Amino acid sequence: DSGVTQTPKHLITATGQRVTLRCSPRSGDLSVYWYQQSLDQGLQFLIQYYNGEERAKGNILERFSAQQFPDLHSELNLSSLELGDSALYFCASSVGQGVGYTFGSGTRLTVV
Amino acid sequence: DQQVKQNSPSLSVQEGRISILNCDYTNSMFDYFLWYKKYPAEGPTFLISISSIKDKNEDGRFTVFLNKSAKHLSLHIVPSQPGDSAVYFCAAVDNSGNTPLVFGKGTRLSVIA
Repeated sequence: DSGVTQTPKHLITATGQRVTLRCSPRSGDLSVYWYQQSLDQGLQFLIQYYNGEERAKGNILERFSAQQFPDLHSELNLSSLELGDSALYFCASSVGQGVGYTFGSGTRLTVV
Repeated sequence: DQQVKQNSPSLSVQEGRISILNCDYTNSMFDYFLWYKKYPAEGPTFLISISSIKDKNEDGRFTVFLNKSAKHLSLHIVPSQPGDSAVYFCAAVDNSGNTPLVFGKGTRLSVIA
């Protein structure tokens, strides 16, 4: 157990739907990062939050949004889902904004 | 534009031999490099790292070499063991800019007994 908890582990949904992925960071970590891993792709950075504030944005689609709550857990919201959104979504956390990421085990999203 | 490239999607090595995984980067601002290991159904886990002020870092069976002029790093695993079979991701960061880690696509290592 890495200390980073992601729920749900698996999610199957239809095109056009909306889903929410949840991440609880490791105790004491203030930064949360979301990454997407599609088939044959590496880990693509989506977005970072630090202590409740958005700090960096990567290749995140406008249909996707995220937030970090006062208790530091984070949610990634994916809407108007398309088949191409099927992927593994990983959350990672770190104490500050530097290196030393701890990853969760991911949420596998399948859009049918 | 892919800033971190792992050009070998897969590598197969005999148990006991050396595994060499390669990684190239294009961003000259990167000053810290990491290797992560990923088993199926698990998240990536940190393996070893190297700062740009060094050219080698060793941790047990794992050694990372950095060639800044060539913008190239490699991970050596000696001796390779069946339990090393996993996907290995190379990652890089510009620490001064507080930017997130940039990952390569990964190399799947298979160690054959």
